[in-house]
Amino acid sequence: SQTIHQWPATLVQPVGSPLSLECTVEGTSNPNLYWYRQAAGRGLQLLFYSVGIGQISSEVPQNLSASRPQDWQFILSSKKLLLSDSGFYLCAWSVLRNEKLFFGSGTQLSVL
Amino acid sequence: EDQVTQSPEALRLQEGESSSLNCSYTVSGLRGLFWYRQDPGKGPEFLFTLYSAGEEKEKERLKATLTKKESFLHITAPKPEDSATYLCAVRNSGNTPLVFGKGTRLSVIA
Repeated sequence: SQTIHQWPATLVQPVGSPLSLECTVEGTSNPNLYWYRQAAGRGLQLLFYSVGIGQISSEVPQNLSASRPQDWQFILSSKKLLLSDSGFYLCAWSVLRNEKLFFGSGTQLSVL
Repeated sequence: EDQVTQSPEALRLQEGESSSLNCSYTVSGLRGLFWYRQDPGKGPEFLFTLYSAGEEKEKERLKATLTKKESFLHITAPKPEDSATYLCAVRNSGNTPLVFGKGTRLSVIA
């Protein structure tokens, strides 16, 4: 069966520090991968998605970037965090692009 | 532009008190409507996919239905463990990313 791992679960970072969140998917090949952000009282906002190794599409211009070094690995990064980067970050995967999504457990990021 | 509106924003029920959550949508060619359950501090958990008007899906105390303009998530005789936020999302015919609603926060009181 397929499983998705996302870590860390919580993270507190100072403004201006770098960020690296990692997501891995097991049990499936060539998954479509996604990074979402969920802010309090708002819907899920798609940040990046990837259909394959090295293929990244950005949905929202911002202070973040994503990379997919391996078929099963998706990384969300920032060189310098802003206060506005705080939120709940979710990784997800799907078999078909923009079809049924399976989410990781999320990372609560607080930038202070 | 595709839009998804969920109502109510929050719903408080007594245990055993059945009710429905609403998901209204406008989308250019619906290719799927998805329901998710999200517990606090956790990622959304997939519940159902509906593809065409008239379709129904059931799982335990939950039943999802679909019309051409909206979907309902019916909760029959809810229990406290059904307390969660329920999210709705739609996929259009243009294969653009799913559009999510803001969710309905359900609280079931014993």
